[in-house]
Amino acid sequence: GDSVTQMEGPVTLSEEAFLTINCTYTATGYPSLFWYVQYPGEGLQLLLKATKADDKGSNKGFEATYRKETTSFHLEKGSVQVSDSAVYFCALSAKGAQKLVFGQGTRLTINP
Amino acid sequence: KAGVTQTPRYLIKTRGQQVTLSCSPISGHRSVSWYQQTPGQGLQFLFEYFSETQRNKGNFPGRFSGRQFSNSRSEMNVSTLELGDSALYLCASDLGHRDRAYEQYFGPGTRLTVT
Repeated sequence: GDSVTQMEGPVTLSEEAFLTINCTYTATGYPSLFWYVQYPGEGLQLLLKATKADDKGSNKGFEATYRKETTSFHLEKGSVQVSDSAVYFCALSAKGAQKLVFGQGTRLTINP
Repeated sequence: KAGVTQTPRYLIKTRGQQVTLSCSPISGHRSVSWYQQTPGQGLQFLFEYFSETQRNKGNFPGRFSGRQFSNSRSEMNVSTLELGDSALYLCASDLGHRDRAYEQYFGPGTRLTVT
């Protein structure tokens, strides 16, 4: 079945550091790919998405590129802030599947 | 536009009891999905409703059920609660179009604790 694998956390960085959270997927066909973020005590918020190969999703300084050849959708940010501390989830939706399949989540802590 | 709302936000129940959780989707959204989030299993899909019909279902026992009303509001019910049902239950809504980029909007969740 479809699955998503994220790099294990937790990840701790200093403010203004470069961030990469790895995400790879297994799916039939060409799924849509997403990054969601969950702040403490809240639900999930969509951070960015990509719907076809080579698409780049971006939002709030975060970027991720849909790489079909490596089945990856790594999340990057050039300079993180304390306010970026949260749990990040990579997810996919296979065409017509009407559901999201999530990775296990990566807890990110940014220290000032 | 108001977001997805879930009630109640917190709930404590005893083993063997049943519970009903409620979700109001974003206005205009016709699809409502439910997910269970636990530290051990992560985020798992429960089911999806569209136009009052269950359109998709995850791998959960029959104790977990749901329904959707004509105004797209949805409820999920868990009967004969077990300790392992303690979790954050998240509701998500979207327009419900098949074969489209599947962008879901999540509510804040209902934290269920079973004692």
